[in-house]
Amino acid sequence: EVQLVESGGGLVQPGGSLRLSCAASGFAFSSYPMTWVRQAPGKGLQWVSSIGLGGDTYHADSLKGRLTISRDDSGNILFLQVNSLTAEDTAVYYCARGGMSTSGLDCWGRGTLVTISS
Amino acid sequence: QSVLTQPPSMSAAPGQTVIISCSGSSSNLKNNYVSWYQQLPGTAPKLLIYETHKRPSGIPDRFSGSKSGTSATLLITGLQAGDEADYYCGTWDSSLSVGVFGGGTKLTVL
Repeated sequence: EVQLVESGGGLVQPGGSLRLSCAASGFAFSSYPMTWVRQAPGKGLQWVSSIGLGGDTYHADSLKGRLTISRDDSGNILFLQVNSLTAEDTAVYYCARGGMSTSGLDCWGRGTLVTISS
Repeated sequence: QSVLTQPPSMSAAPGQTVIISCSGSSSNLKNNYVSWYQQLPGTAPKLLIYETHKRPSGIPDRFSGSKSGTSATLLITGLQAGDEADYYCGTWDSSLSVGVFGGGTKLTVL
């Protein structure tokens, strides 16, 4: 069974950083591009970042300079590091298999909630 | 404000047909595949349509997608109570090299 499980969310103070992880299982992780999507409370989906098979990365303009996406193909884990957090970063962060330029995001994790507050 | 434009809400009775629109531009929808996602309340999104008109395994043929120029549509026929959800279109913007979603359409089954 294809499965994606996010972790690393929680309460973070403004100005802080967080590193989210997404553990993948049930498929050949290294053969797929991977994507992070977030959803602020009561709002729509926002594409955050994607990483390709060769490690090429793409980031939302609003987050450029503050985030790093990476992958560990040997451990089947996707990462997202976000710095200089503000209240506007409060959201559920989803890990998804695939890319927006190819066959879409065909498998999603349950998400991890990140709350930025003092 | 989202790069792709969807109607915020729609409603229809069971058994009816609904068409959800998604409007973009030449840098995104016109030259790239579109995908559609269904998000039931309190759950993660689920892929409904990929590569503009293809359905993943397990998605009923009541759901279909199409595209013309800079607009895409999701057609849902034989509406059921279980279809009540938020629906999002998504694609790639080739000029900006970013992924983009529509603002979402909340579908209410009357």
